[in-house]
Amino acid sequence: SAVISQKPSRDICQRGTSLTIQCQVDSQVTMMFWYRQQPGQSLTLIATANQGSEATYESGFVIDKFPISRPNLTFSTLTVSNMSPEDSSIYLCSVRTDTQYFGPGTRLTVL
Amino acid sequence: QKEVEQNSGPLSVPEGAIASLNCTYSDRGSQSFFWYRQYSGKSPELIMFIYSNGDKEDGRFTAQLNKASQYVSLLIRDSQPSDSATYLCAVKNTGTASKLTFGTGTRLQVTL
Repeated sequence: SAVISQKPSRDICQRGTSLTIQCQVDSQVTMMFWYRQQPGQSLTLIATANQGSEATYESGFVIDKFPISRPNLTFSTLTVSNMSPEDSSIYLCSVRTDTQYFGPGTRLTVL
Repeated sequence: QKEVEQNSGPLSVPEGAIASLNCTYSDRGSQSFFWYRQYSGKSPELIMFIYSNGDKEDGRFTAQLNKASQYVSLLIRDSQPSDSATYLCAVKNTGTASKLTFGTGTRLQVTL
């Protein structure tokens, strides 16, 4: 299993600003994932964060908007840049060990 | 066609009944199937996974997989009010080692 923590748990931000979300895992994992869950929707994969290489982004998501860092095997950050109200969502960090686990999420509201 | 489809519900069942949640998927080569439970305002938690055709039981939960029909289901026996949540079906696709594709989820309501 894996214990995942995220910071912040929630935030309210102004349009045009950026927010960096941190994800910490209690064990070393090869691959970390960032998901978005918009209100009433299911989970959509934003990108896979690989340690030591560039993140792999899914269709519809770009590095300029969602830059990701993965400095080591237990930590990753996702930045939501130049935010608009459409970015209001829950952002979830996820890791795979024996199976896939999710962090508690960051609830972002953009005004 | 969506890759993973679920009825959004709500599915309402009385306490003690069997809840049946269904999921279909489009990628015939999919190999792994997962059911997650998500309480309102919380993150998803894994309930069960299944890889092989047939049934897999774990306590009150049974996952059923039919690859020929591209269909996976979750049965919850003796449903409890605490089972009220959204149930997400997830499929691990072929060709992409670690990507999970989620359905939109079925909201289950267990009534007293």
